[in-house]
Amino acid sequence: GENVEQHPSTLSVQEGDSAVIKCTYSDSASNYFPWYKQELGKRPQLIIDIRSNVGEKKDQRIAVTLNKTAKHFSLHITETQPEDSAVYFCAASTGALIFGKGTTLSVSS
Amino acid sequence: EAGVAQSPRYKIIEKRQSVAFWCNPISGHATLYWYQQILGQGPKLLIQFQNNGVVDDSQLPKDRFSAERLKGVDSTLKIQPAKLEDSAVYLCASSHLAGGTHNEQFFGPGTRLTVL
Repeated sequence: GENVEQHPSTLSVQEGDSAVIKCTYSDSASNYFPWYKQELGKRPQLIIDIRSNVGEKKDQRIAVTLNKTAKHFSLHITETQPEDSAVYFCAASTGALIFGKGTTLSVSS
Repeated sequence: EAGVAQSPRYKIIEKRQSVAFWCNPISGHATLYWYQQILGQGPKLLIQFQNNGVVDDSQLPKDRFSAERLKGVDSTLKIQPAKLEDSAVYLCASSHLAGGTHNEQFFGPGTRLTVL
């Protein structure tokens, strides 16, 4: 079955810096790759997603890139703000989502 | 539109007791998922329903966990008997699976289960 590896597990940046989180997946049949943000005690919220027929997608300060050949995808957050602090999960899907273990992002002002 | 509803929000039980969780998905969403999220980990799929049929329950510990979605809308997840390692947040999600295209999954607030 699908396996998703996510790195790093923790990431600390200064406000205004960029943050990059990387994920790899094992099942070449996976064709949908969402990223979720989860604040403490809250439900996961979708922040951006990408499908396998697209290499890059951007939404304001957030971008995701996908390399199907290498089976990895990355989340890029530019101009980070303290409110970006949360746990970020990547996932890969051929149906149900298989999640990575999460990255705790801390943005200090 | 109303989001995914779950109840109860919190539950504390003794080991070997039974517990049930309820989920009401977003209206019109055909696909419903139950995930288990242990503290510090990502959500793990337990079961996926398409309308009232099971699509994937390969990760469901069937000796103690059961789930149903009898009318293709609401769903219940039951644990009987509970073990200490079942302490987790149980998340319900739903999506509008149209023509085989994967769509966003919307998560409910979750039920935090503590087994003592």
